[in-house]
Amino acid sequence: DGGITQSPKYLFRKEGQNVTLSCEQNLNHDAMYWYRQDPGQGLRLIYYSQIVNDFQKGDIAEGYSVSREKKESFPLTVTSAQKNPTAFYLCASSQDRVVNEQFFGPGTRLTVL
Amino acid sequence: GENVEQHPSTLSVQEGDSAVIKCTYSDSASNYFPWYKQELGKRPQLIIDIRSNVGEKKDQRIAVTLNKTAKHFSLHITETQPEDSAVYFCAASRNSGGYQKVTFGTGTKLQVIP
Repeated sequence: DGGITQSPKYLFRKEGQNVTLSCEQNLNHDAMYWYRQDPGQGLRLIYYSQIVNDFQKGDIAEGYSVSREKKESFPLTVTSAQKNPTAFYLCASSQDRVVNEQFFGPGTRLTVL
Repeated sequence: GENVEQHPSTLSVQEGDSAVIKCTYSDSASNYFPWYKQELGKRPQLIIDIRSNVGEKKDQRIAVTLNKTAKHFSLHITETQPEDSAVYFCAASRNSGGYQKVTFGTGTKLQVIP
């Protein structure tokens, strides 16, 4: 299952702390995405990036930030402003900007204590 | 924006029976409809997809149908096996300002009873 990786698999955070989730891909994909998955709500888009040094807010961007300094990396920071951060976070990539299959990472389960 | 509704939320079938999951979408500009399977604790993986210029696509025991006029599409799994047990997500996708905008359904938990 190479291609797109996320770390760590499990993450625990105290309230008020920022935390950064890693996402790396070696598929040479231009587009990368961050989704949040909660029970019964499917996948909701947090941020996406079409190209290096460019990213856009998705449907639920409040309390999150991202960067895209390298094509293969798209880290997500969950800030203390995110009111309900406990969730399963999935990173994805796709080959280009046209509609196409998205490849998902294994996910990071974040728990706020 | 796009709204994707998926039904049922849970589905139990006997091994060997068929399973059908249905989705509707609202944005007529959506032109790509993937289905993902997610096993417990694992990443979603594409199992089949269909584009808007096609009405039906089949891959072994899995088929997808698309009705653009009615804006609905369905996943059909025949001869179900225990390893088909998972959560299935439909999605509708379109190109929006040079970016692929994907909207997911809320998922169907399929249980295949041996």
